[in-house]
Amino acid sequence: GQNIDQPTEMTATEGAIVQINCTYQTSGFNGLFWYQQHAGEAPTFLSYNVLDGLEEKGRFSSFLSRSKGYSYLLLKELQMKDSASYLCAVRDSNYQLIWGAGTKLIIKP
Amino acid sequence: IAGITQAPTSQILAAGRRMTLRCTQDMRHNAMYWYRQDLGLGLRLIHYSNTAGTTGKGEVPDGYSVSRANTDDFPLTLASAVPSQTSVYFCASSDSQSGANVLTFGAGSRLTVL
Repeated sequence: GQNIDQPTEMTATEGAIVQINCTYQTSGFNGLFWYQQHAGEAPTFLSYNVLDGLEEKGRFSSFLSRSKGYSYLLLKELQMKDSASYLCAVRDSNYQLIWGAGTKLIIKP
Repeated sequence: IAGITQAPTSQILAAGRRMTLRCTQDMRHNAMYWYRQDLGLGLRLIHYSNTAGTTGKGEVPDGYSVSRANTDDFPLTLASAVPSQTSVYFCASSDSQSGANVLTFGAGSRLTVL
């Protein structure tokens, strides 16, 4: 079966750095996505990785290792507004998106 | 403002009733999707449409139907609602011809079936 694993919940301190991991087992791979979802709101796109390596976008970076079936989202200089759920999704060989259950990130002052 | 509009925002429904969730996008995206989101689970695809006039079944299609008469609208119908259909429903769209095919989501419709 296809599976996306990410931690259920993480806590970090304002101003710090946090890394959210995502491991996947899917039938084929055609890209990995990270979305942010604030409570009661829609998911919004953060990043897309299709090749191995690090993609940096401001305070957020996303890393991919296809051979290890592994990705992480790195958030720097955490702000209170970063409190949200972070969803990892993989596009499989049929171009269908497989979603993880999300990681709830709690930022403390 | 370009984006996706869903209606209603929330609804409480008696079991056995028929319900249609509306979804309209103004981005001229060719592809549209309906997902449900339940606590502790990832987003699950109900139905999708790659282009106007075509639809396909996702991971959890039973009890739901969709239509795609034009590019902009993609309503989801529950013919006879059951309590297990209590969920938050998200409509999404994308330009599937683009490299990343990023999904844009609507604000969601929270449905409670009693």
